[in-house]
Amino acid sequence: AQSVAQPEDQVNVAEGNPLTVKCTYSVSGNPYLFWYVQYPNRGLQFLLKYITGDNLVKGSYGFEAEFNKSQTSFHLKKPSALVSDSALYFCAVRDIFNKFYFGSGTKLNVKP
Amino acid sequence: EAQVTQNPRYLITVTGKKLTVTCSQNMNHEYMSWYRQDPGLGLRQIYYSMNVEVTDKGDVPEGYKVSRKEKRNFPLILESPSPNQTSLYFCASSSYSEEQYFGPGTRLTVT
Repeated sequence: AQSVAQPEDQVNVAEGNPLTVKCTYSVSGNPYLFWYVQYPNRGLQFLLKYITGDNLVKGSYGFEAEFNKSQTSFHLKKPSALVSDSALYFCAVRDIFNKFYFGSGTKLNVKP
Repeated sequence: EAQVTQNPRYLITVTGKKLTVTCSQNMNHEYMSWYRQDPGLGLRQIYYSMNVEVTDKGDVPEGYKVSRKEKRNFPLILESPSPNQTSLYFCASSSYSEEQYFGPGTRLTVT
């Protein structure tokens, strides 16, 4: 079965420190990969995507993600976290049939 | 302003009373989709549509219907809602290979 895993329900990091939010997937073919962020009582906002090309993808608000085909991973990273980055982050995969699969979400807490 | 709109934003209803949640986008996107968000489960795709008159089942289609008669609209229909359909629902749209734009969400409670 197709699936997306975000192994950490919550990630805690101090402001100014680097952050990583993990995502692995089990989807056949060459899927499209996405990261979205959700702030309280809001819809999801797009951060970045990988379709093809360079394995390191840069996105909005200083976020980047590294695609690793052999490990089927697409981890979200940021060199220096801000308190305002605190939110719920979702990894998503679009398969070759144009169906989407989302991870269960990771709550990022950035402390001052 | 480019946006996806959903109505209503909040809805409390009773078991078995048919309801429709509307979704409209103004970006001329081909792809539209409905999701439900439940704690600990993330978002799960209910139905999606690649274009007018073309719809397909997502991961959790049971108990839901959709239609795509116009490119901009993609209503979600619950013919006979049940309490297990209490959830937060999101509509989204995109061009084929691009990122999705999400609506603000509809919080549905079925008693």
